[in-house]
Amino acid sequence: KQEVTQIPAALSVPEGENLVLNCSFTDSAIYNLQWFRQDPGKGLTSLLLIQSSQREQTSGRLNASLDKSSGRSTLYIAASQPGDSATYLCAVMQGGKLIFGQGTELSVKP
Amino acid sequence: GAVVSQHPSWVICKSGTSVKIECRSLDFQATTMFWYRQFPKQSLMLMATSNEGSKATYEQGVEKDKFLINHASLTLSTLTVTSAHPEDSSFYICSAYGLAGGLTSYEQYFGPGTRLTVT
Repeated sequence: KQEVTQIPAALSVPEGENLVLNCSFTDSAIYNLQWFRQDPGKGLTSLLLIQSSQREQTSGRLNASLDKSSGRSTLYIAASQPGDSATYLCAVMQGGKLIFGQGTELSVKP
Repeated sequence: GAVVSQHPSWVICKSGTSVKIECRSLDFQATTMFWYRQFPKQSLMLMATSNEGSKATYEQGVEKDKFLINHASLTLSTLTVTSAHPEDSSFYICSAYGLAGGLTSYEQYFGPGTRLTVT
């Protein structure tokens, strides 16, 4: 059974710092991996989607990598801003379903 | 493109009553829609998968008679929580799987969620 784990569960950093969020999954037979952002009480916003054949995707200050063989993905956020404060979820697509990690709650202090 | 709406955004109901939540894909057709629930400080848990015109497939442990799902068209799915109890209070999120205009890959697009409180 696929399990997705995110570390750390919570992270607080000062504004301007670069940071890395980690995601690991137990079964490497995935179709793709996706990173989402969720603000309190809101739905999910897709940030980056990496197909299983890809190694990384970039969008602005965000860079996500995927190492399928080791079951790991990282989300790199450069020059963090207070507006980046949110919960970040990673999810793998397998068997037509998205399986989510528990999320990392990020707080960026001004 | 790729807008998914949910209605209502929040609802309070009394124990024993039923509540219907709508999920619509506004600018694309979704052959498959998914329903999730999320408890505070927890991740999303898939409840069921629905395909247009067919019965929903429920995840293990989800009561199909309690959570009725109807996928009547390629743009609308509904979740009805029957005989709601306080433990059904949660954040319910739907997603629609499709190919939104201008994009090249199929993805799940998520709605904004519905906060259900059962008193």
